[in-house]
Amino acid sequence: DIVMTQSPDSLAVSLGERATINCKSSQSVLYSSNNRNYLAWYQHKPGQPPKLLIYWASTRASGVPDRFSGSGSGTDFTLTISSLQAEDVAVYYCHQYYSTLYTFGQGTKLEIK
Amino acid sequence: EVQLVESGGGLAQPGRSLRLSCGASGFSFDDFAMHWVRQVPGKGLEWVAGIGWNSGSIGYADSVRGRFTISRDNAKKSLYLQMNSLRADDTALYFCVKDMVGYYGDHRGWYFDLWGRGTLVAVSS
Repeated sequence: DIVMTQSPDSLAVSLGERATINCKSSQSVLYSSNNRNYLAWYQHKPGQPPKLLIYWASTRASGVPDRFSGSGSGTDFTLTISSLQAEDVAVYYCHQYYSTLYTFGQGTKLEIK
Repeated sequence: EVQLVESGGGLAQPGRSLRLSCGASGFSFDDFAMHWVRQVPGKGLEWVAGIGWNSGSIGYADSVRGRFTISRDNAKKSLYLQMNSLRADDTALYFCVKDMVGYYGDHRGWYFDLWGRGTLVAVSS
C-alpha cells in the first residue's frame, strides 16, 4: 500500500497568516501516461462531512476559496492557506488515488494561534 | 439537496454483526461508484471498501476482507456495509462516500467528491 505521511500533526497559525501542510507519499503518485498527480486534499470540521478542497494535487474544487492552493509532484505535496480565516480551523487530510487501495495521511489539525 | 445519510451504527459485542446503510439524494446514484471510509477515534481516515455502479467490481481493505461485505441497491439509492465478526479495532466513525466516476477497481482511482456525516460503530464487550 502507498503510505501517506503528513507534517506537522498539528499547526497553530495567527489569523491572516499563511498555513502550510505537507504530505509525502511512499511512492510516486504521478501517472506518466497523463502527467497527473493522483493526490487530493480534504477539510474536516467536527460534526460535518469531510469536504473536497483540492484534486489532481493543485485543482481547487468548486466553491473552494482561492486562499487554498495545492502544489507538488511525485511524492511531495503541499496545501497552503494564504491568509488564515477563523472558519479554516479543521483537520486536513491528503489522499492518494493512484492506487485503488486508497490511503490517506494521518491528518493535520489546524488551529488559531 | 445533494447528500449522503448513514445509519445503522451502534454498540456491538466482539464477534457480532452490524449492517450499515447509506441513503443518497440529489444526484444520479446509479451513475457512480461508492465507498465506505472509516475514522478511528483520534486517528486518521482508512478506506474500507468500494463498489462500482453496477456492483460488477468490488474491493476491500486487507483489514476487513472476508468479514465485511459492501453492496448497493440502485433502485433504493442505497449503499450497505454488512460487518461480521466485529473486533474492537473496528470501532470507528463510518463514512459513506461518493466517487467521481461509475467504475471501481481500474488501474487508477478517482478522488471522492461527496461524504456523509458518518455513523458511529463501537465494538466492546
